[in-house]
Amino acid sequence: IHLTQSPSSLSASVGDRVTITCRASQADATALAWYQQKPGKAPRLLIYDASNLESGVSSRFSGRASGTLFTLSINSLQPEDFATYYCQDFSNYALIFGGGTKVEMK
Amino acid sequence: EVQLVQSGAVVKKPGESLKISCQVSGYIFRNHWIGWVRQVPGKGLEWMGIIFPGDSDTRYNESFKGQVTISADKSISTAFLHWGSLRASDTAMYFCARRPLTTDKRTGREFDFWGQGTLVTVSA
Repeated sequence: IHLTQSPSSLSASVGDRVTITCRASQADATALAWYQQKPGKAPRLLIYDASNLESGVSSRFSGRASGTLFTLSINSLQPEDFATYYCQDFSNYALIFGGGTKVEMK
Repeated sequence: EVQLVQSGAVVKKPGESLKISCQVSGYIFRNHWIGWVRQVPGKGLEWMGIIFPGDSDTRYNESFKGQVTISADKSISTAFLHWGSLRASDTAMYFCARRPLTTDKRTGREFDFWGQGTLVTVSA
């Protein structure tokens, strides 16, 4: 499985709606997860199984799947949301990560 | 409260050996897969491998097979990542992370809890 995540970076303002996409190379990708990582910190799980919000994560975050295209949306971007986001898929025990999307302040 | 606490940052020379640790608490260690993820400074996340402490079943990313060894000690609820001979290219942050249990509502194919990371610097 190969994951193509885009864009690699984007600039946005507080209050914007942001969408990040991840395309899987195989049609049976269903267990896609999304993580947020801030500099010097461990990644934090946001979404699992494509669209399920992890406990304790703000409902501003949502995930959708359409075939092999997966999207992470952030509604009404907040200052604490500026970070790097990674998608992750699973195949035969291996966890495969996308290349990351850095969300920067415009 | 689930916690994964990793050993501290280290500086080593090329050719030296190293074992870093990840001690867990707040859940039954033997019941969850626990994995290791590498992050080279300024780069993305790379899955290295994973172990099921209950029976020591271990799987590796082909890119890391033979370069590192993953192990676990159930008696102290700790997972380990070991290098026999370090290279400068091993300089990175290393994270341990836990997979959740698989249920009828969750595939468990992600990492839900992470350690704080161990920075390994390899330099002559």
